[in-house]
Amino acid sequence: DGGITQSPKYLFRKEGQNVTLSCEQNLNHDAMYWYRQDPGQGLRLIYYSQIVNDFQKGDIAEGYSVSREKKESFPLTVTSAQKNPTAFYLCATRRGVQVGNQPQHFGDGTRLSIL
Amino acid sequence: GENVEQHPSTLSVQEGDSAVIKCTYSDSASNYFPWYKQELGKRPQLIIDIRSNVGEKKDQRIAVTLNKTAKHFSLHITETQPEDSAVYFCAASTYNNNDMRFGAGTRLTVKP
Repeated sequence: DGGITQSPKYLFRKEGQNVTLSCEQNLNHDAMYWYRQDPGQGLRLIYYSQIVNDFQKGDIAEGYSVSREKKESFPLTVTSAQKNPTAFYLCATRRGVQVGNQPQHFGDGTRLSIL
Repeated sequence: GENVEQHPSTLSVQEGDSAVIKCTYSDSASNYFPWYKQELGKRPQLIIDIRSNVGEKKDQRIAVTLNKTAKHFSLHITETQPEDSAVYFCAASTYNNNDMRFGAGTRLTVKP
């Protein structure tokens, strides 16, 4: 989906370092999501946000933090508390929190590795 | 919360054959079931979805069936082509979509 931009494409983290993954969208979608994908596994929800200045924990929020200061942006910080951060991180958006049963659209992902 | 199981984890078919991937879900309140295709290293892309008020939906070579009583839905791909090779994910959610849960994925290989 061309309207969702994740950066960087590849990211390396040193021990004890926090890193931030960017997700920007120009689709005017209300809801945004962060997922983690490990090899051979499905997508696991880290955090989601339905409106600006509000976000909720997903199934695996420990060691991660987010902010939603603008509708277009939903950055994810992988903190040093996340001991196994190596994974493929996907950002997704969904149109209209008032409109149910809508698909989520994904960005191209960021591959995070430990140095 | 919702739990989605997907089978098989890998599937290999000859070009031109049909492929079927099955998913079950646990939350009877789930009413939206999308399917995504993910090529290696790329984003998941929606290929078809179904809502609980219908039992079947088709889009060219792709079809999805839903059995709400059994909490079971399936993806059917007919006349498979090598470019269908990818990982396919099913998902289930309720109306507001924030509880969407994904299956573990099926790696489909179509041999020419």
